[in-house]
Amino acid sequence: QVQLQESGPGLVRPSETLSLTCSASGGSIRTGSYYWSWIRQPAGKRLEWIGRIYTSGSTTYSPSFRSRVTISIDTSKNQFSLQMNSVTAADTALYFCARVVEYDDAFDIWGHGTVVTVSS
Amino acid sequence: EIVLTQSPGTLSLSPGERATLSCRASQSVSSKFLAWYQQKPGQAPRLLMYRASSRATGVPDRFSGSGSGTDFTLTISRLEPEDFAVYFCQQYGNSPLYTFGQGTKLEIK
Repeated sequence: QVQLQESGPGLVRPSETLSLTCSASGGSIRTGSYYWSWIRQPAGKRLEWIGRIYTSGSTTYSPSFRSRVTISIDTSKNQFSLQMNSVTAADTALYFCARVVEYDDAFDIWGHGTVVTVSS
Repeated sequence: EIVLTQSPGTLSLSPGERATLSCRASQSVSSKFLAWYQQKPGQAPRLLMYRASSRATGVPDRFSGSGSGTDFTLTISRLEPEDFAVYFCQQYGNSPLYTFGQGTKLEIK
């Protein structure tokens, strides 16, 4: 069973770049029909989908984040990453990585999440 | 954007009772792309149902899902102590591809 684990700085300065990595263990991200996705949850608010990437490198982003987000994948390291530019306090949230089952479009495996605080 | 509204916000029930959670969409959602999740404090969300009525691997059969169009329901037939958690729905559709409901907190009465 694949497990996902987010990692990255817990504190980011305003206007700087948020960078997170999701490492997969227990299986390869190259196998099967899955997308790999980032989702966040600001405190007290609903989950927000940020974007997804296929193993081919093809990406789809939410319009809310498209202008300042890049998701990349490194299958040799069995991980995928999120970069979000020009962050503000509004980007403070619990960030999850998750696996999306193609054709069902449900998130069947999630990381435990990592808190990112944007503050000077 | 398809907005999902869940009700009630909080549901207070006792173990052994039946729970009915609602998820209403602002536009019609294909039942192929409606999912339900359970989340406990400090834990990752857990997929319960996909395609509105299909149970994910390992999910007990006391959980069931139904609905179509704009109205979907998650039912827990007989509550166990471990079922008390937050539940949220999710749809796949137009841009943005995925949206989530705000959640229903199921608490012990």
